[in-house]
Amino acid sequence: AQTVTQSQPEMSVQEAETVTLSCTYDTSESDYYLFWYKQPPSRQMILVIRQEAYKQQNATENRFSVNFQKAAKSFSLKISDSQLGDAAMYFCAYRSVAGGTSYGKLTFGQGTILTVHP
Amino acid sequence: DGGITQSPKYLFRKEGQNVTLSCEQNLNHDAMYWYRQDPGQGLRLIYYSQIVNDFQKGDIAEGYSVSREKKESFPLTVTSAQKNPTAFYLCASSLKGGELFFGEGSRLTVL
Repeated sequence: AQTVTQSQPEMSVQEAETVTLSCTYDTSESDYYLFWYKQPPSRQMILVIRQEAYKQQNATENRFSVNFQKAAKSFSLKISDSQLGDAAMYFCAYRSVAGGTSYGKLTFGQGTILTVHP
Repeated sequence: DGGITQSPKYLFRKEGQNVTLSCEQNLNHDAMYWYRQDPGQGLRLIYYSQIVNDFQKGDIAEGYSVSREKKESFPLTVTSAQKNPTAFYLCASSLKGGELFFGEGSRLTVL
């Protein structure tokens, strides 16, 4: 079974600065998807970014980018120009595509609480 | 607007009672999921369904039951067999190969 580990329970950043959230995962599969989800105080999960393992290029979405290191099984999220609205719990998640599991059963990490200071 | 609606948002239950959490989606997604979230832990999968009238157990299915009689609906029943049901419950849906879209969640408290 796959596992996802987020080793930083809490992180903080000053507004307009850059912060990086860490995520590692364990899998024997070669093809899979990785995601970062944001959970603000409203508790609704929002997709931030996704990465297909077969793509070497790191995904980017505006101020959000990832550093995907497949050999190291590492998938960090970088938030540039941090804004107060970025304050939330961030979850890293893994999805296998093997054996007909393409319907998106996600395995989540424990989460990292991000605080943004004005 | 399209989305996922969970109800109720807050629910209180006495020990020994079964309760049912509702999840409805109008996104025309084939797959639906139930996750449980506890403080300090990530989301854990309870049940999921890829098609109407079919569903599979997730990692923590004991004490829970589901049904999928309609594509739009995937209710979760928390039975009296669930030893520690107080938690935040999230419903999600997806297309095949797509990311998950989540509802706003339901908080269940056992009194």
